[in-house]
Amino acid sequence: QQQVKQSPQSLIVQKGGISIINCAYENTAFDYFPWYQQFPGKGPALLIAIRPDVSEKKEGRFTISFNKSAKQFSLHIMDSQPGDSATYFCAATNTGGFKTIFGAGTRLFVKA
Amino acid sequence: GAVVSQHPSRVICKSGTSVKIECRSLDFQATTMFWYRQFPKQSLMLMATSNEGSKATYEQGVEKDKFLINHASLTLSTLTVTSAHPEDSSFYICSARDMGRPNTGELFFGEGSRLTVL
Repeated sequence: QQQVKQSPQSLIVQKGGISIINCAYENTAFDYFPWYQQFPGKGPALLIAIRPDVSEKKEGRFTISFNKSAKQFSLHIMDSQPGDSATYFCAATNTGGFKTIFGAGTRLFVKA
Repeated sequence: GAVVSQHPSRVICKSGTSVKIECRSLDFQATTMFWYRQFPKQSLMLMATSNEGSKATYEQGVEKDKFLINHASLTLSTLTVTSAHPEDSSFYICSARDMGRPNTGELFFGEGSRLTVL
């Protein structure tokens, strides 16, 4: 129940294309769903996050779609750029608690 | 934005020695910090939760005598890898929650520390 399943494991997208990464969770107590971006040799950084009371959140080229009934959420990167090449982690947390559960990560490569 | 500084970024040590890694929240206070270990091409594995002024909470399978955690102030947590062995070589990352924003759930990560044990 504490798992967050993320797919795909790796993704290759052409420059200008749309990158889509999916995650699913089981624990309905989670109330905060962030996406983190990590470049090689660096710590993760928050990219965008959503709460379950909204179905979509958009920040620039990045959009989270959230389906509460299906317990799924996804990250869409529009107009993908080579600089977006990184590893992306979805996560889920219960803000009343302390632990954040991370997905396995998706390695995105955007071809120029 | 909130900044977490982690030091050193890279460290090489001999087998049997101890290594200390520092994690500092620069512009916010953190009663809770987290320590992770990350293997190549894998996700973050939570090792322990560091609580200011109290003992750390270790995840199952993590040796508390091997990985000593001290959270002496609201802005500093340290991880000491004792009697390091080559299998301890890894990328260690810390994160912190801003106690001024307890309900956001957002974690602020350090830049990570690459430990190589020879």
